[in-house]
Amino acid sequence: DSGVTQTPKHLITATGQRVTLRCSPRSGDLSVYWYQQSLDQGLQFLIQYYNGEERAKGNILERFSAQQFPDLHSELNLSSLELGDSALYFCASSDRSGLIGNEQFFGPGTRLTVL
Amino acid sequence: QQPVQSPQAVILREGEDAVINCSSSKALYSVHWYRQKHGEAPVFLMILLKGGEQKGHDKISASFNEKKQQSSLYLTASQLSYSGTYFCGTGTYSGGGADGLTFGKGTHLIIQP
Repeated sequence: DSGVTQTPKHLITATGQRVTLRCSPRSGDLSVYWYQQSLDQGLQFLIQYYNGEERAKGNILERFSAQQFPDLHSELNLSSLELGDSALYFCASSDRSGLIGNEQFFGPGTRLTVL
Repeated sequence: QQPVQSPQAVILREGEDAVINCSSSKALYSVHWYRQKHGEAPVFLMILLKGGEQKGHDKISASFNEKKQQSSLYLTASQLSYSGTYFCGTGTYSGGGADGLTFGKGTHLIIQP
């Protein structure tokens, strides 16, 4: 158990809908990273937040957005969902601000199915 | 650009050794290794940084050749629990700063009793 929690575990929704995925980082970690894992694209970095501020963006679609709250939990919002958005969404956390120079600990993931 | 991992899959008997390779076409700042079991989260194994710093589990070893942009993960005296898919993630810098980790397609490792 990495100490990172994500809810919900599974989410099934229809095309065109909007969903929110939630992540709580390990105690003391200030950085949260969001990743998408799909069969065809593999594991892809979406976005990083550090202590409430957006730090870096990766392959995140404009329909997706994220934020990190004062208590350091983060939410990933996915809107106008398409079939291709079906994937496992992971968040990871770290105790530092870096994007590539420190260990990241992954949560259990949210499996999103868009019908 | 996605790093290339080899082999794609390997089957071992318990107690045997394995080497998993990760190669990039870009200059690397860091290499991160994770193991993932089906339907579960990737588990951090090791990070190797340009300049020689490493952090990771005691029972896992890895190397990082900065000049060749390659890393190898060494699994010795494999145990059944080592089964899973191993991913390398590479950290690079581009003109705009650090890029997010880019992961390879994974190496599937099966350990048989």
